[in-house]
Amino acid sequence: DAGVIQSPRHEVTEMGQEVTLRCKPISGHDYLFWYRQTMMRGLELLIYFNNNVPIDDSGMPEDRFSAKMPNASFSTLKIQPSEPRDSAVYFCASSQRLPGTGSSGYTFGSGTRLTVV
Amino acid sequence: AQSVTQLDSHVSVSEGTPVLLRCNYSSSYSPSLFWYVQHPNKGLQLLLKYTSAATLVKGINGFEAEFKKSETSFHLTKPSAHMSDAAEYFCVVSDGGTSYGKLTFGQGTILTVHP
Repeated sequence: DAGVIQSPRHEVTEMGQEVTLRCKPISGHDYLFWYRQTMMRGLELLIYFNNNVPIDDSGMPEDRFSAKMPNASFSTLKIQPSEPRDSAVYFCASSQRLPGTGSSGYTFGSGTRLTVV
Repeated sequence: AQSVTQLDSHVSVSEGTPVLLRCNYSSSYSPSLFWYVQHPNKGLQLLLKYTSAATLVKGINGFEAEFKKSETSFHLTKPSAHMSDAAEYFCVVSDGGTSYGKLTFGQGTILTVHP
């Protein structure tokens, strides 16, 4: 298995532009998570899906952020319009079961480093 | 290459007694180390982090961890457990000495707190 695959690895964009981050979870994993990592706050959960359905999006910072999971093998995180404070590393992770219930099960992608200038 | 081993999959303590969650790591570089907590149906919450400053790191909710390079350990402790501490805890290593490196998670330790 290739693990959780994220693209692009690095993204540099100008303020106001739309940014789309992509994630392919591990086949058979029912849960998909989008996390944002900053030096100040560490990992912050933005949203997670179960069987392609968004379950908890309370971590999505603003309406500029949106996430979709059209099928079990693909998810996107979109920022429109982007702002410099969105600069961070965005991680996608997948799991067979809900972490916190007895097994980590987390497999993280390598992350997308986003820089908004 | 880097790896993390959490030595106990389950730890059970009584309320008011000390907590010790053990973590050993390996890393080719000067690592950054983190402890996260996860309550069911919640996202990961950062408890504390070590990034090559003081070896004794204090975090939220009374937790602390000590980085011991000679033992390649980063154990999490709390003097007195509270019922609300019951959750799953993850030790995480990030390579390259920054918080932006590849994350490697331990398998997690479930902490149970008895009244």
